[in-house]
Amino acid sequence: DTGVSQDPRHKITKRGQNVTFRCDPISEHNRLYWYRQTLGQGPEFLTYFQNEAQLEKSRLLSDRFSAERPKGSFSTLEIQRTEQGDSAMYLCASSGTGGEVSYEQYFGPGTRLTVT
Amino acid sequence: GEDVEQSLFLSVREGDSSVINCTYTDSSSTYLYWYKQEPGAGLQLLTYIFSNMDMKQDQRLTVLLNKKDKHLSLRIADTQTGDSAIYFCAVKAAGNKLTFGGGTRVLVKP
Repeated sequence: DTGVSQDPRHKITKRGQNVTFRCDPISEHNRLYWYRQTLGQGPEFLTYFQNEAQLEKSRLLSDRFSAERPKGSFSTLEIQRTEQGDSAMYLCASSGTGGEVSYEQYFGPGTRLTVT
Repeated sequence: GEDVEQSLFLSVREGDSSVINCTYTDSSSTYLYWYKQEPGAGLQLLTYIFSNMDMKQDQRLTVLLNKKDKHLSLRIADTQTGDSAIYFCAVKAAGNKLTFGGGTRVLVKP
């Protein structure tokens, strides 16, 4: 296992369509995070899971966004009725628990979403 | 909420030292991070420092933390062309989320 993986890497969709992204964390990590990064900006936190429980959500996560982590392993992020403002890079990160390693968030390569 | 600020751009000659600066607002920040992002890629964790430390050194990287001024810096010794990238400062306060600055684009000139 070499790191956090995300699928797809790129997604182009028409406005109003639904999209779903997948994140596979580092295998022994039980914490998983989603961030969004728009062009020229730093990443912004969206949501956080510990195992299958979604423990923290940003106000950026509107009701069109939903994230799940059903078995405490991979996670999905769905955006319904996409808008042009949703165009961004969606980044997933994971971390372990116990001691210092719980503070190390490792990021995947991201999924770049373009809404036309 | 937390606010993290960075300068936008830094140009440095190959072989020189680079210093990237960051300021933050939340004095309860516990961990402070530096990430590197290359074009089209995700973020690579370079190093981080706990708030009870003033300095951390890791090979060519030196992190300095001034808690009084809420100022964090990253020094890269002997900067190489492969160090050209965007560098993000991030802080962790309450909860588990990281708050990122806007990034500093570092250009290394041969």
